[in-house]
Amino acid sequence: ETGVTQTPRHLVMGMTNKKSLKCEQHLGHNAMYWYKQSAKKPLELMFVYSLEERVENNSVPSRFSPECPNSSHLFLHLHTLQPEDSALYLCASSKEPESSYNEQFFGPGTRLTVL
Amino acid sequence: GQNIDQPTEMTATEGAIVQINCTYQTSGFNGLFWYQQHAGEAPTFLSYNVLDGLEEKGRFSSFLSRSKGYSYLLLKELQMKDSASYLCAVVDSNYQLIWGAGTKLIIKP
Repeated sequence: ETGVTQTPRHLVMGMTNKKSLKCEQHLGHNAMYWYKQSAKKPLELMFVYSLEERVENNSVPSRFSPECPNSSHLFLHLHTLQPEDSALYLCASSKEPESSYNEQFFGPGTRLTVL
Repeated sequence: GQNIDQPTEMTATEGAIVQINCTYQTSGFNGLFWYQQHAGEAPTFLSYNVLDGLEEKGRFSSFLSRSKGYSYLLLKELQMKDSASYLCAVVDSNYQLIWGAGTKLIIKP
């Protein structure tokens, strides 16, 4: 595996379900990110981890819970979601999160549908 | 507040040239990225500008004017595979990427 991988690629869940999204990066990067992408809207940064420590939480509802057990893996735990949470969830990684050249490498995303 | 503006959608003809504009108002500026995203796929890096001027890379070029808060992505000799969304993102004073909503480019034969 190379680059950034995400599983599952598609997920349909009810509002009472609990599920987790997984992201893995094979690039040796120091930072990992979760983004939400909705149609015709800018990418919304949800969480940032740098060297396995959370450094950013942009007022995301508590029904989204991130976990970063090591620098290569990132999870997003979901529970009691709402239909408006349906979106594409993208994971990204970068080498130097606190530099001007912060090129981010993205995974293919998980298309989430909440019924 | 911080704001990135791009056209929502553009249409161009195969073989032609298209320019996608991006204007920004952000708290600080540490560079500007362009990414390409095909439907259902990951965004992929196209270019990075931090100094004023034009950066050319094959059929794609990116221009930046910091004084005007303006950038454009120029695509030449358009091919059908260039049909995608093009995302503009600015690195602000906290080194955070501020994203535009993207421009969907449709290429017609």
